[in-house]
Amino acid sequence: VQILESGGGLVKPGGSLRLSCSASGFTFSNYAMSWVRLAPGTGLEWVSTVSGSGANTYSADFARDRFTISRDNPTNTLYLQMSSLRAEDTALYYCARTVAVAATPFDSWGPGTLVSVSS
Amino acid sequence: IVMTQSPATLSVSPGERATLSCRASQSVSSHLAWYQHKPGQAPRLLIFDASIRATGIPVRFSGSGSGTEFTLTISSQQSEDFAVYYCHQYDHWPPTFGQGSKVDI
Repeated sequence: VQILESGGGLVKPGGSLRLSCSASGFTFSNYAMSWVRLAPGTGLEWVSTVSGSGANTYSADFARDRFTISRDNPTNTLYLQMSSLRAEDTALYYCARTVAVAATPFDSWGPGTLVSVSS
Repeated sequence: IVMTQSPATLSVSPGERATLSCRASQSVSSHLAWYQHKPGQAPRLLIFDASIRATGIPVRFSGSGSGTEFTLTISSQQSEDFAVYYCHQYDHWPPTFGQGSKVDI
């Protein structure tokens, strides 16, 4: 199993960014995929989850109106479209795999991509 | 569900036992996982369902507990075990994590 995030960078407050996550070594469509972030000085925080088919998505309250999770199963890629970014969104963003949308642990993770929101 | 980990930092010597605690604000049954995280690396699943070691995890890592109180024990700390450890409940939606416990030398 290999998971690798990309797309992070420095963006101004109010700006947008799209993160990507490339996966290999497993049948991508059989797994729900999630984004989890780690902000400076805090613990891990769940952001969003998408079902294996892509039909169902779920997001944390802080992300619901600003972030959109999606996936492209033919290319084994997960996305997170982020808009109206705030300083508090500065974090390492991790892509993680779960067997199901809920009630299961994150069994594989990528090394993360850094998002910095600053003027 | 709020997950509270203690201690925030634990200093141990190689070969010593390390014991980390995680408390849930309400019962999460046995739906609890532990992860190891080193800087610049992907978090690694160590324990799921409170006490089951994930594939490839050494036997020196063990988990226990149910309901609201959980423990991760490293029976004999190795140099590669110095890291931050997070607990995670997946019994209630949304999934939540503890703030982490750092194990250093």
